[in-house]
Amino acid sequence: NAGVTQTPKFQVLKTGQSMTLQCAQDMNHNSMYWYRQDPGMGLRLIYYSASEGTTDKGEVPNGYNVSRLNKREFSLRLESAAPSQTSVYFCASTGRGPYEQYFGPGTRLTVT
Amino acid sequence: AQSVTQLDSHVSVSEGTPVLLRCNYSSSYSPSLFWYVQHPNKGLQLLLKYTSAATLVKGINGFEAEFKKSETSFHLTKPSAHMSDAAEYFCVVSDLANYGGSQGNLIFGKGTKLSVKP
Repeated sequence: NAGVTQTPKFQVLKTGQSMTLQCAQDMNHNSMYWYRQDPGMGLRLIYYSASEGTTDKGEVPNGYNVSRLNKREFSLRLESAAPSQTSVYFCASTGRGPYEQYFGPGTRLTVT
Repeated sequence: AQSVTQLDSHVSVSEGTPVLLRCNYSSSYSPSLFWYVQHPNKGLQLLLKYTSAATLVKGINGFEAEFKKSETSFHLTKPSAHMSDAAEYFCVVSDLANYGGSQGNLIFGKGTKLSVKP
């Protein structure tokens, strides 16, 4: 059981470039989430997917898009990266009910 | 709307002394409450959770937390700090009534960084 995996671990982009962050879970969880973590801000929800085929905006969705490809995979896309999107991005998943979320190891993104 | 306030951004203790990390929450309904730990350059790991069963919750690595509804608090404690406890700790609330609603289902505090001196 790998749990929640994320790729890549590190990425440097130039302003205006695009990229997709990948996330996969092998726990048969229904719900998946994307967060960003910035110093002193805790984790803020970008988008979430309550179940396969559905996605919803979180607290800070601007500049991002998501795709719930299947039950296992949930990707986050930056269409035109900006320096304000420099952050650490975490993917998480959870099973039935509003219980604990399981987190991936994170992707550290720098936009110059 | 639910919210979480971690009262200290940084706590420093000596090895072998007690740890207290403070958390207050606001929730309209019966909350689920969690503490997560994040070691440097790592993901988040669940320490413990409260989901309306016993008010004193025991977690991993000797940590525990007590849910006090009258004080809207969920403070994290450990009797004796170890060097390996140095990390950032997040208090998190989930509002059962809003699960699946427009805001997702977890609200994170801003974190408390715990330093442990030898």
